[in-house]
Amino acid sequence: NAGVMQNPRHLVRRRGQEARLRCSPMKGHSHVYWYRQLPEEGLKFMVYLQKENIIDESGMPKERFSAEFPKEGPSILRIQQVVRGDSAAYFCASSPGKRGTEAFFGQGTRLTVV
Amino acid sequence: DAKTTQPNSMESNEEEPVHLPCNHSTISGTDYIHWYRQLPSQGPEYVIHGLTSNVNNRMASLAIAEDRKSSTLILHRATLRDAAVYYCILRDGGDGQNFVFGPGTRLSVLP
Repeated sequence: NAGVMQNPRHLVRRRGQEARLRCSPMKGHSHVYWYRQLPEEGLKFMVYLQKENIIDESGMPKERFSAEFPKEGPSILRIQQVVRGDSAAYFCASSPGKRGTEAFFGQGTRLTVV
Repeated sequence: DAKTTQPNSMESNEEEPVHLPCNHSTISGTDYIHWYRQLPSQGPEYVIHGLTSNVNNRMASLAIAEDRKSSTLILHRATLRDAAVYYCILRDGGDGQNFVFGPGTRLSVLP
């Protein structure tokens, strides 16, 4: 059973470009969480999704950021018109969503905006 | 999610047990206590979780106070590879609950 897969592992974008980060949850997991970690800082919650639904997006910036988790395929975190301050490690996690279950994290995508 | 309080940092000697404390005085009856750790340059890793009873797995043990207002993660024999930031998280067992990370405890293991 493969773990949570994130790709790409490293992504370089110029200011103003779009960044697309992908997260394939573990088999059988229908819940996905996205987090951002700035250098030398903690993990900040961004968004929590179930298949085709956004459950909690309280940590998402109001502009330029969006997330989806379609019925088929990976979850996508999209950042439009990237700025240098978006440079960070982005982690996703998945869980089965059942009561009391744990979440498993991917190895992250390190976004660098130049 | 209810708040947890952990020491900012701790040190341990290699091959000695480590007790990492977590206070969660406002825990509710349906909150599970989760522990994760993050090694340098890696994604967070699940360690252990429990509700009321003490839990053991291959990585660690979780001791939960009788009133559930505190818990302790126990690493039985610390190795250099256990040096990481350890996070204690409360998560309601119901639907729609995310995992909120605090600053955690940075554990240093001395050879």
